[in-house]
Amino acid sequence: RKEVEQDPGPFNVPEGATVAFNCTYSNSASQSFFWYRQDCRKEPKLLMSVYSSGNEDGRFTAQLNRASQYISLLIRDSKLSDSATYLCVVHRAAGYSGAGSYQLTFGKGTKLSVIP
Amino acid sequence: DAGVTQSPTHLIKTRGQQVTLRCSPKSGHDTVSWYQQALGQGPQFIFQYYEEEERQRGNFPDRFSGHQFPNYSSELNVNALLLGDSALYLCASSLMTGPGETQYFGPGTRLLVL
Repeated sequence: RKEVEQDPGPFNVPEGATVAFNCTYSNSASQSFFWYRQDCRKEPKLLMSVYSSGNEDGRFTAQLNRASQYISLLIRDSKLSDSATYLCVVHRAAGYSGAGSYQLTFGKGTKLSVIP
Repeated sequence: DAGVTQSPTHLIKTRGQQVTLRCSPKSGHDTVSWYQQALGQGPQFIFQYYEEEERQRGNFPDRFSGHQFPNYSSELNVNALLLGDSALYLCASSLMTGPGETQYFGPGTRLLVL
């Protein structure tokens, strides 16, 4: 089983629609969770961190369920500019070496296309 | 404030050759992580450098090695290139403080192995 799993999509939605992405992770020792956005042929950029209490940033809402090891991202009122690949990312302490040694594990990403 | 920079942007090599990729972290950051992103995949962690030492390593062979310099910049070296090494190589910088610390990515180096 992959450490971070996402539905690869693509999700094709009309402008103004609400779309939800889901992600599961297998390592219960995971400590921090993020959604990154990656535009075509560009580097990933942090969209938002994900907290157990849920967090919202404008049209974006992220939720974490530690018991189910499940992360979600909700996008309301989709814009054309939201078209991108959304990467679920898990951050955990990794083996070695002294204070604060962590690594990011990425899902394969979910591709979103917002259609006019 | 300069973000993470990487060079070169694109590179073409042949099988068996060696390649060196370079990364300069965001100002004030002390930790550099390297990732390999194959087409259609998420980035895969290669290794992380802090205080000029490799601190963590992903599931990559010894052909992949790196270095961090006193100014925190870093190099990724790949020996005996294989066709499967063709990918986008991403460098990310952060502060070595904890799991919530954001990693900032550079634009990447696209490597094509023929």
